[in-house]
Amino acid sequence: AQSVTQPDIHITVSEGASLELRCNYSYGATPYLFWYVQSPGQGLQLLLKYFSGDTLVQGIKGFEAEFKRSQSSFNLRKPSVHWSDAAEYFCAVAVNNAGNMLTFGGGTRLMVKP
Amino acid sequence: NAGVTQTPKFQVLKTGQSMTLQCAQDMNHNSMYWYRQDPGMGLRLIYYSASEGTTDKGEVPNGYNVSRLNKREFSLRLESAAPSQTSVYFCASSTGHNTDTQYFGPGTRLTVL
Repeated sequence: AQSVTQPDIHITVSEGASLELRCNYSYGATPYLFWYVQSPGQGLQLLLKYFSGDTLVQGIKGFEAEFKRSQSSFNLRKPSVHWSDAAEYFCAVAVNNAGNMLTFGGGTRLMVKP
Repeated sequence: NAGVTQTPKFQVLKTGQSMTLQCAQDMNHNSMYWYRQDPGMGLRLIYYSASEGTTDKGEVPNGYNVSRLNKREFSLRLESAAPSQTSVYFCASSTGHNTDTQYFGPGTRLTVL
């Protein structure tokens, strides 16, 4: 069965600093990978996704992620963090069958220091 | 477009009580999903409906039932609530293709005493 691991439960960065959130997956076939963001008290919003092609994908709000098959990773990055980026971030993998079922990681809570 | 809507936003139940969480989407999506979110565990799939008229169990279906009422609506029922079902519940929808985005509702925060 597929699984997703986000090793960092909490991360604190200063505003303006760069950010990298880690995501590792375990899945036998070619994965479809997603990053979602959840602001406090809100539902989840898609930041970006990867399913084929260029391994560096761009998303909304200035985020990007790089798929590295050799490391089974799909890390999320942002060059300069803004206070509004404080939220919880979830990595997810889609199972390759009908229904688009997602398996989520445990999430990383990002706090931004002024 | 409202997207995915959920009612209620908050609910407190006593152990053994029943309730139904409602979800509706106006994006003409084929697939709908119910997740629960617990601290440190991300979101876990309870049930899903790949298309109107079908439902299937997800990772944590015990204690829940679902109904795909029509293409728009997908409800989640707790027949006899237990404290272990205290959680935040999210409904989502998508076209159903593997690479498609799932769109999430705002969630229902349920507390079972």
